Amino acid sequence: AIRMAQSPSSFSASTGDRVTITCRASQGVGSYLAWYQQTPGKAPKLLIHAASTLQSGVPSRFSGSRSGTDFTLTINCLQSEDFATYYCQQYYTYPRTFGQGTKVEIK
Amino acid sequence: EEYLVESGGDLVQPGRSLRLSCAASGFNFDDYAMHWVRQGPGKGLEWVSGISWRSSTVEYADSVKGRFIISRDDAKKSLHLQMHSLTPEDSALYYCAKDRGRYSTSSGFDHWGLGTLVIVSS
Repeated sequence: AIRMAQSPSSFSASTGDRVTITCRASQGVGSYLAWYQQTPGKAPKLLIHAASTLQSGVPSRFSGSRSGTDFTLTINCLQSEDFATYYCQQYYTYPRTFGQGTKVEIK
Repeated sequence: EEYLVESGGDLVQPGRSLRLSCAASGFNFDDYAMHWVRQGPGKGLEWVSGISWRSSTVEYADSVKGRFIISRDDAKKSLHLQMHSLTPEDSALYYCAKDRGRYSTSSGFDHWGLGTLVIVSS
């Protein structure tokens, strides 16, 4: 199975900050990469698919990029509602695999 | 609007079986692949199983292969997960999720239910 390694596992940030989360695939997944946001007690929400395509309704402060097997989720001007856990997921092949998650906490 | 509602979660003893269901509405259910994803208490997301449109392909995580069976009833717009030989490691909130890709296209999961809780304990 393809392993998805996210970094960091958690960090603290302030409202207005620009933050970056990285996800590295253990082998090539093309651009078949999605990012999700999960807040406590809620189901995950799709933010980005195809590595860099914003899902409908997601604010433009979220963006994604790819460089080989490295993927990045960037949040510009962090808002209070963005404090959450973020997961990457490859859908290049089965089994679909998620990263272990990155928790963004309030500083 | 698209809705997914899971049901069937329960407290069961190790070794027993359980069947989860997911009722879909608000979209052409039979056009999309569907998946089950679980999340143990305080843990991350784990993809469990997926079924393609027309049920032509079913896939499982290694952790459940041979014990779980995914199925769908397009006429009833429902997804199911039959779970056998349950162990405490299967305890989790089980989500039903819709693949964003239509027909044979794969994509991210754009709609999720609220989940149904499975606890395996003696």
